[in-house]
Amino acid sequence: DVKVTQSSRYLVKRTGEKVFLECVQDMDHENMFWYRQDPGLGLRLIYFSYDVKMKEKGDIPEGYSVSREKKERFSLILESASTNQTSMYLCATSTGLRDEQYFGPGTRLTVT
Amino acid sequence: ILNVEQSPQSLHVQEGDSTNFTCSFPSSNFYALHWYRWETAKSPEALFVMTLNGDEKKKGRISATLNTKEGYSYLYIKGSQPEDSATYLCASSTSGTYKYIFGTGTRLKVLA
Repeated sequence: DVKVTQSSRYLVKRTGEKVFLECVQDMDHENMFWYRQDPGLGLRLIYFSYDVKMKEKGDIPEGYSVSREKKERFSLILESASTNQTSMYLCATSTGLRDEQYFGPGTRLTVT
Repeated sequence: ILNVEQSPQSLHVQEGDSTNFTCSFPSSNFYALHWYRWETAKSPEALFVMTLNGDEKKKGRISATLNTKEGYSYLYIKGSQPEDSATYLCASSTSGTYKYIFGTGTRLKVLA
């Protein structure tokens, strides 16, 4: 079974802090995704990576950056956290573009 | 349709009832459609990957159909059980893109 883990289930940070969300997969999946989920909205793509050091902006990249130095690890970085980044963050992986995505358990981030 | 729309938003059914949900998506340049089940406090899990017009897929008591020409997919649950209680998400992508647009989900509650 594919296992996708995220560094924290719950996180509370202050406005202006730099925040790192880590995602690790234990299979050899090329594609990794970061989404955020807010009430009343579908999952929205923040960033996508299709290989080590390769990344593409999703629909809402503003205020975020990513890092993928190793195939199994994809990090989401909030350079200067703001209250409007309070959300549930989900990491996902997949093999091919048509294939199903495997999701991590999510990190619920609160920025105060 | 530019977005992925799911209906109903939520429903309550009695144990043993059969039910179905709808996912509407952009029909032009269709590439793939995913259905996921998302139980509270767990990760979303893939149910089906659908790619061809007329596709019908089945997993136990759950099945799905796909109409790419008119841009809709139905998910059916036969003989609902309390453990089917979850949010059901669909996500659609267009040709050659890694971006999946997620609907807001249908929240199902099965009453014992």
